[in-house]
Amino acid sequence: GAVVSQHPSRVICKSGTSVKIECRSLDFQATTMFWYRQFPKQSLMLMATSNEGSKATYEQGVEKDKFLINHASLTLSTLTVTSAHPEDSSFYICSARDPTSVGETQYFGPGTRLLVL
Amino acid sequence: DAKTTQPPSMDCAEGRAANLPCNHSTISGNEYVYWYRQIHSQGPQYIIHGLKNNETNEMASLIITEDRKSSTLILPHATLRDTAVYYCISRANDYKLSFGAGTTVTVRA
Repeated sequence: GAVVSQHPSRVICKSGTSVKIECRSLDFQATTMFWYRQFPKQSLMLMATSNEGSKATYEQGVEKDKFLINHASLTLSTLTVTSAHPEDSSFYICSARDPTSVGETQYFGPGTRLLVL
Repeated sequence: DAKTTQPPSMDCAEGRAANLPCNHSTISGNEYVYWYRQIHSQGPQYIIHGLKNNETNEMASLIITEDRKSSTLILPHATLRDTAVYYCISRANDYKLSFGAGTTVTVRA
């Protein structure tokens, strides 16, 4: 199956700093990537849709100025959590849509665990 | 996207087939049924998907009823490594996936 990577796998930062998370599709080009957040014992919640070469679209209740998304190439999307606070601590997961696969399946990265102190 | 309903949990014996049900009674004609699983602290893993026909791959089989209102994921020979949360999702044309609570499957030796 298609491979999606994320970096870093885990990060600890101080409150008020910004953190950048990278999502890469390793063996296919993804015009669309998605960012999710998962709190402990909860399911994944879609945050935003990242489209290559255009602005991301955010789900209701997700602050676009707080969670900056850049999709600069067909294989890379980045999520920057700006001025992070302890309540932003979560498991962030990206997915990438493979347009060449049957049904244009989404494949997920391994996730990034963010802890804000 | 159509809402899906799954049992919250199920146990199965190692080596036996695991049959995971999913109801999607409001699914529309162009919505795919997708199955993913999430092992603790990892990103979801794609298992299988289908539209109308039954599907099989190296991981599992997907049986979709003729009216498409329900489906069953079959893991033919469950192993301890199949212990995970399994998500059944209906996906529309916008490609967004809406994750419910899923079914927590525990495979016991």
